[in-house]
Amino acid sequence: DTGVSQNPRHKITKRGQNVTFRCDPISEHNRLYWYRQTLGQGPEFLTYFQNEAQLEKSRLLSDRFSAERPKGSFSTLEIQRTEQGDSAMYLCASSLGLGLTDTQYFGPGTRLTVL
Amino acid sequence: AQSVTQLGSHVSVSEGALVLLRCNYSSSVPPYLFWYVQYPNQGLQLLLKYTTGATLVKGINGFEAEFKKSETSFHLTKPSAHMSDAAEYFCAVRMYSGGGADGLTFGKGTHLIIQP
Repeated sequence: DTGVSQNPRHKITKRGQNVTFRCDPISEHNRLYWYRQTLGQGPEFLTYFQNEAQLEKSRLLSDRFSAERPKGSFSTLEIQRTEQGDSAMYLCASSLGLGLTDTQYFGPGTRLTVL
Repeated sequence: AQSVTQLGSHVSVSEGALVLLRCNYSSSVPPYLFWYVQYPNQGLQLLLKYTTGATLVKGINGFEAEFKKSETSFHLTKPSAHMSDAAEYFCAVRMYSGGGADGLTFGKGTHLIIQP
């Protein structure tokens, strides 16, 4: 069990550029979640996958945000035409998918700075 | 929609003193409740969770929390604070929505400061 990993750990970009983040979940976990955390706030749920199926995406912040998990393993979160308000920590979590009570294990996050 | 309120963005206690971090939730049905801790430059780590059954839940590192339905509260306590407990603590709730939303709803967090 190597834990949830996220890459890159830090990303600095200019406004208007596209960025993509990667999350590798714990190997046997079939659920994968994305959250955003801004300064002084708790994480905010964005979307989640059960294997390769994206089961909830209504919480994505705008149509500039999209996520994929093509083979049910790693996932990517893309932000198109970044804005300064997108600056935040983006967190990924995974779980076994045993139901509402199962534990989500979080990665260290990717910190995005939009200049 | 569910929500979580953490009273006190910063709590300061002396080493060896009682730690009490407050969490209240809003819910029309029994929720599933969680406490996570976040150390600097590290991911969120689960301290404990309440699902069903015993309302006093014990977690890691000597922490425990009690679910009180009548007060809609899930406060986190530790009898004796240690310097290593200094971190950000988040209370979270997860509910079955029927519509499929299955993420956690977090409070804003409480920064715990331990004074020597």
